[in-house]
Amino acid sequence: AQSVAQPEDQVNVAEGNPLTVKCTYSVSGNPYLFWYVQYPNRGLQFLLKYITGDNLVKGSYGFEAEFNKSQTSFHLKKPSALVSDSALYFCAVRDIADKLIFGTGTRLQVFP
Amino acid sequence: EAGVVQSPRYKIIEKKQPVAFWCNPISGHNTLYWYLQNLGQGPELLIRYENEEAVDDSQLPKDRFSAERLKGVDSTLKIQPAELGDSAVYLCASSLGLKADGYTFGSGTRLTVV
Repeated sequence: AQSVAQPEDQVNVAEGNPLTVKCTYSVSGNPYLFWYVQYPNRGLQFLLKYITGDNLVKGSYGFEAEFNKSQTSFHLKKPSALVSDSALYFCAVRDIADKLIFGTGTRLQVFP
Repeated sequence: EAGVVQSPRYKIIEKKQPVAFWCNPISGHNTLYWYLQNLGQGPELLIRYENEEAVDDSQLPKDRFSAERLKGVDSTLKIQPAELGDSAVYLCASSLGLKADGYTFGSGTRLTVV
């Protein structure tokens, strides 16, 4: 069955430093991968997706993600973190029934 | 564009009482989803609609949960009777078809059962 794993419950980073939020996936066939962000008391907001093409995907708010087939990973990255990036981040994969399966989430805390 | 609209934002009820949540998807989005998000967890799909047809309700606890999307536009999710363990955030999302590249989520309804 398709699934994603987010091994870190929380990631702490200082403002201005690069950040990485990890995600690994397990799929049969070609993976369709997504990142969403959730701010307090808000719904999930789409950040970016990988369907096919370049392994480096650029998304909203300066975020990007690198698809690595050999490592079955799709880590979310940003070169310079902002305090306002502090939120809950979810990795997701589209399964064979075309529905999104979400990871457990990673809380990103950016300190001033 | 208003986005996916959900109401109410918050609901507190006593156990064994009924409760209903409403969702209005983005205009033109024929696919609608209800997700359950427990505290500290990722969203889990409850039911998925293609127009007015429920194409996947395998994760919906049918003994107490029901949903409808009668005219293929807005949708209602109901719990009767509610249990303490139903306390969670109920998220609605919509997309252009089952194979859409992404969903648009509403802000959710936070249910507290006491």
